[in-house]
Amino acid sequence: EDKVVQSPLSLVVHEGDTVTLNCSYEVTNFRSLLWYKQEKKAPTFLFMLTSSGIEKKSGRLSSILDKKELSSILNITATQTGDSAIYLCAVVDSGGSNYKLTFGKGTLLTVNP
Amino acid sequence: NAGVTQTPKFRVLKTGQSMTLLCAQDMNHEYMYWYRQDPGMGLRLIHYSVGEGTTAKGEVPDGYNVSRLKKQNFLLGLESAAPSQTSVYFCASSYPSWPLNTEAFFGQGTRLTVV
Repeated sequence: EDKVVQSPLSLVVHEGDTVTLNCSYEVTNFRSLLWYKQEKKAPTFLFMLTSSGIEKKSGRLSSILDKKELSSILNITATQTGDSAIYLCAVVDSGGSNYKLTFGKGTLLTVNP
Repeated sequence: NAGVTQTPKFRVLKTGQSMTLLCAQDMNHEYMYWYRQDPGMGLRLIHYSVGEGTTAKGEVPDGYNVSRLKKQNFLLGLESAAPSQTSVYFCASSYPSWPLNTEAFFGQGTRLTVV
């Protein structure tokens, strides 16, 4: 059974801090790892990672995949209160011709002013 | 530009009642998913479909049934609702085109309370 573990489960920081969120996985046929941000409603897509060592960056957010360690990190620098959200990691397993998306439990990030 | 639309957005059911949640997508996506989200549990896959007429069980399928009679619609049914099914339900769809993109697009969620 596919498994995605995120840590920490929750984190409280002050504005301006830098945070690192972790995601580790065990899947049969790894295809890609996805990061989502969820505020009040539906998750919104942040990054897709397929290759080890290649950093994806969007503003103050960046992410990198380590296929050898079966893990990924999401970094947020100079955090703002608007970064407060649940950050979800998901892994795509493409066994056979199917494709399944499995999520971790998420990291609840709270950024205080 | 509708994307993924879920109906209804809110519902309160009595124990033992049945209902169907509808998910519709207008992006011609092959894959569709139903997840439930409970506090501290992340998104757990209930059932999914890799194409019209096909369905498969996910992580927590018990108590739910699904159907994908048309490519654009994915229905989630609760035959006899239980309080343990109180949750927020999300539908998602995707069109995996390797190696380009595999992201899933989500609906806005359905908050279901079973009393």
